[in-house]
Amino acid sequence: DVKVTQSSRYLVKRTGEKVFLECVQDMDHENMFWYRQDPGLGLRLIYFSYDVKMKEKGDIPEGYSVSREKKERFSLILESASTNQTSMYLCASSLGAGWNSPLHFGNGTRLTVT
Amino acid sequence: AQSVSQHNHHVILSEAASLELGCNYSYGGTVNLFWYVQYPGQHLQLLLKYFSGDPLVKGIKGFEAEFIKSKFSFNLRKPSVQWSDTAEYFCAVNSPNAGNMLTFGGGTRLMVKP
Repeated sequence: DVKVTQSSRYLVKRTGEKVFLECVQDMDHENMFWYRQDPGLGLRLIYFSYDVKMKEKGDIPEGYSVSREKKERFSLILESASTNQTSMYLCASSLGAGWNSPLHFGNGTRLTVT
Repeated sequence: AQSVSQHNHHVILSEAASLELGCNYSYGGTVNLFWYVQYPGQHLQLLLKYFSGDPLVKGIKGFEAEFIKSKFSFNLRKPSVQWSDTAEYFCAVNSPNAGNMLTFGGGTRLMVKP
């Protein structure tokens, strides 16, 4: 069974801080994704990666960056956290280069920026 | 850009009632369609998917969905819900002509009263 692990379940950070959200998957999946989940808005894609050191912007990349130095790890970085980035952040992975592979999600990190 | 609409944000049903959750998408080309479910305190998981073939798709736990191309719809159904179906349900769409990115609807919170 695929396991996607997000390092923190809850985080509280101050405005202006640099925040790192870490995600690790254990099934050698090529594709990894970062979404944020907000009530009524569903999941919105921030960034995704199809390979090591490769990244693509999603629908809402502003204020975020990512890093994928190893295949199993995909990090989301908030360069200078702001209150409007308070949200639930979900990491996901999928197998293969095709566009029809189901996503496997982590449990999420609930980030509060004060 | 493709978009996905879930018209019901909150649904409350009694056990044994029938369920239908609406999902409409905007893209007219070839699409893959998914329903994901998030049970309280758990991670998002795949409920069912449609790629091609029979437009009536059966998933886990007695759920099914019907792809109606002419209506750009992929509604989720279950003939008789149980209390354990209480969850948030997300419809999602992707296509090869939209950068392979999965677009989610806003989600529907289902509460089943025992």
